[in-house]
Amino acid sequence: DIQMTQSPSTLSASVGDTITITCRASQSISNCLAWHQQKPGEAPKVLIFQASNLESGVPSRFSGSGYGTEFTLTISSLQPDDFATYYCQQYSSYLRTFGQGTKVEI
Amino acid sequence: EVQLVESGGGLVQPGGSLRLSCSASGFTFRSHSVYWVRQSPGKGLEYVSGINGRQNVINYADSVKGRFTISRDNSKNTLFLQMSSLRAEDTAIYYCLKARYTDYESVDYPPFDHWGQGALVTVSS
Repeated sequence: DIQMTQSPSTLSASVGDTITITCRASQSISNCLAWHQQKPGEAPKVLIFQASNLESGVPSRFSGSGYGTEFTLTISSLQPDDFATYYCQQYSSYLRTFGQGTKVEI
Repeated sequence: EVQLVESGGGLVQPGGSLRLSCSASGFTFRSHSVYWVRQSPGKGLEYVSGINGRQNVINYADSVKGRFTISRDNSKNTLFLQMSSLRAEDTAIYYCLKARYTDYESVDYPPFDHWGQGALVTVSS
């Protein structure tokens, strides 16, 4: 199984900050990497696929980058609606695996 | 608008069975692979199973292999997960997801693009 490791697990930030979350894969996954956002009591939703492609309707302050084993999610000018938990997820094999999540809190 | 609506969750005793359903709309269901992913406090998000449109490609996580069966009814735009020999560690919210691309777009393992709202399964005596 491909292991996905996110850091940090928790991130404290303020409205207007720029934050970066890192995701590392245990082996190369090319650009087969997605990011999901989950708010308390809600299902996750897809933010980014193919490492850097924004899902339709996702604000441009979200951006993703990376290839191989190291990936980042950057949120510029953090907004109140962005305080949530973020998960990376690989789809390089049939057994999709997720990172443990990064909680972005005020 | 794509919608995935799960149903069938509930409380079941260890060793029992339960069948989840996922009703899909807003896309050509028979052309897309669909999946189950679960989320529990202890294990985070975990892939459970997937099935392609023609039902000739099916896979499972090792943790559920031999106990869970995925199936679909393309005439009713519905995905199923039959769960048996349930254990306490199967307690989770079960989400239905769809593949971004159709099965004809030559992508081995497509990314997800939509999640359902989830169905809670609790295994406890």
